[in-house]
Amino acid sequence: GESVGLHLPTLSVQEGDNSIINCAYSNSASDYFIWYKQESGKGPQFIIDIRSNMDKRQGQRVTVLLNKTVKHLSLQIAATQPGDSAVYFCAENMERNSGGSNYKLTFGKGTLLTVNP
Amino acid sequence: KAGVTQTPRYLIKTRGQQVTLSCSPISGHRSVSWYQQTPGQGLQFLFEYFSETQRNKGNFPGRFSGRQFSNSRSEMNVSTLELGDSALYLCASSLNTGSTEAFFGQGTRLTVV
Repeated sequence: GESVGLHLPTLSVQEGDNSIINCAYSNSASDYFIWYKQESGKGPQFIIDIRSNMDKRQGQRVTVLLNKTVKHLSLQIAATQPGDSAVYFCAENMERNSGGSNYKLTFGKGTLLTVNP
Repeated sequence: KAGVTQTPRYLIKTRGQQVTLSCSPISGHRSVSWYQQTPGQGLQFLFEYFSETQRNKGNFPGRFSGRQFSNSRSEMNVSTLELGDSALYLCASSLNTGSTEAFFGQGTRLTVV
C-alpha cells in the first residue's frame, strides 16, 4: 500500500560531522517529498522539499536527494550542530489535478537524531 | 506574524465523552489540515479544510469530524472517545491547498482515561 518508511529509527553523530537521514517510499505516483524536523514539545517544522522531477535540492546546510529508481529519499545535514537534535520525518504528497484536494501528507515514522558535543 | 495557534494545549477526557479542539491558522492562510500523532502510528492525516469545505479525508472513523469557519479557523471534534484516541493532535496551515510548505502548531495533547 502507500507508505513512507525510514531505514533507521535513531542516529547519533558528533558535533561538526555530516548527518545523513534516509527514507524509503513506496508510492511512485507521489509528486513531491518533504522533510520535517520535530523538536521535543513542538510541532513539525518544514525543512526542505523536492519535486519528483528533481534528484537533488540544496538549502542552508541541508541537501535532499531523491532516487526514484530505488524509491529512496535522503536528507543530508552539513556540520551538524546540537540544535539539530530532533526527530526528522520524511513525508510525501500526491497532487491531483481534478476535483478534490491535492493536499494529503503521508509521513514516515521518524528518525531521532542526537548530536553529541 | 503569529504562528499556528492550537487550543487547548492539554486535555484530559473520560471514555465516552466528546472533545473539540481548535486551530487558528497563520493570517492569510486558507488551508488547514489535521493530523494525529501517536508513538505507534506516527503522524497520520485526518482531514484538510479549504474555503470552509473538507477537501480530503484520512482513514479515520466517523467519530472524527471537523469544520472550518469563514475566517479559516478550524475545529475538530471527536465523539465517543476511546482510550486509543489519546494522542497529540496537530494542526497545519498552508497558504493554499496543495502548498508544499505547511506550518504546524504545537498541538493539543489529548489523554483519554
